Amino acid sequence: GQQVMQIPQYQHVQEGEDFTTYCNSSTTLSNIQWYKQRPGGHPVFLIQLVKSGEVKKQKRLTFQFGEAKKNSSLHITATQTTDVGTYFCAVFSGTYKYIFGTGTRLKVLA
Amino acid sequence: DAGVIQSPRHEVTEMGQEVTLRCKPISGHNSLFWYRQTMMRGLELLIYFNNNVPIDDSGMPEDRFSAKMPNASFSTLKIQPSEPRDSAVYFCASSRGQGTDTQYFGPGTRLTVL
Repeated sequence: GQQVMQIPQYQHVQEGEDFTTYCNSSTTLSNIQWYKQRPGGHPVFLIQLVKSGEVKKQKRLTFQFGEAKKNSSLHITATQTTDVGTYFCAVFSGTYKYIFGTGTRLKVLA
Repeated sequence: DAGVIQSPRHEVTEMGQEVTLRCKPISGHNSLFWYRQTMMRGLELLIYFNNNVPIDDSGMPEDRFSAKMPNASFSTLKIQPSEPRDSAVYFCASSRGQGTDTQYFGPGTRLTVL
């Protein structure tokens, strides 16, 4: 079956440092979504990428879809304590269904 | 607009008991998803419905789990009998059902089976 791996599993950064998480798929993707889950909370949609090589920005967050549409990244510039949480990618697996990646847990040290 | 509503938020039960989790999707959404989240296995899709019809239940762990969606505004996930390994957070999510739509998650039900 389709596999979606995220690296790293965990990342601790000092406040103000940058952070990047990567999502890799074993198959070519039609699109990819990113979600954030705060500690004790539920996943919340951040963005969707559809086109090969697409780059989207949301304030300090930059999302990129690989040229081959098999991988994606989320980069946070100058992390803040509010960025703490787990970041998931989710890949479309056909007929309304998404498969979620393993997630990257980010901890920001003040 | 109200988001996805789940009840109860917390459930503690003893092994062997029946557990029923409830979900009310966002009004107008045609797809509903049940997920289970644990540290070991991450976020797993159990089953999803489109227009109240189960589309894919291949993620349901075993016959002890069942899910229903009797109408567009209500779904249940039932575990009978429950076991300690069922302890997890169970999320319900809904989407408009337009293929690659955003999923809106409920707050989850934290289930502990003793």
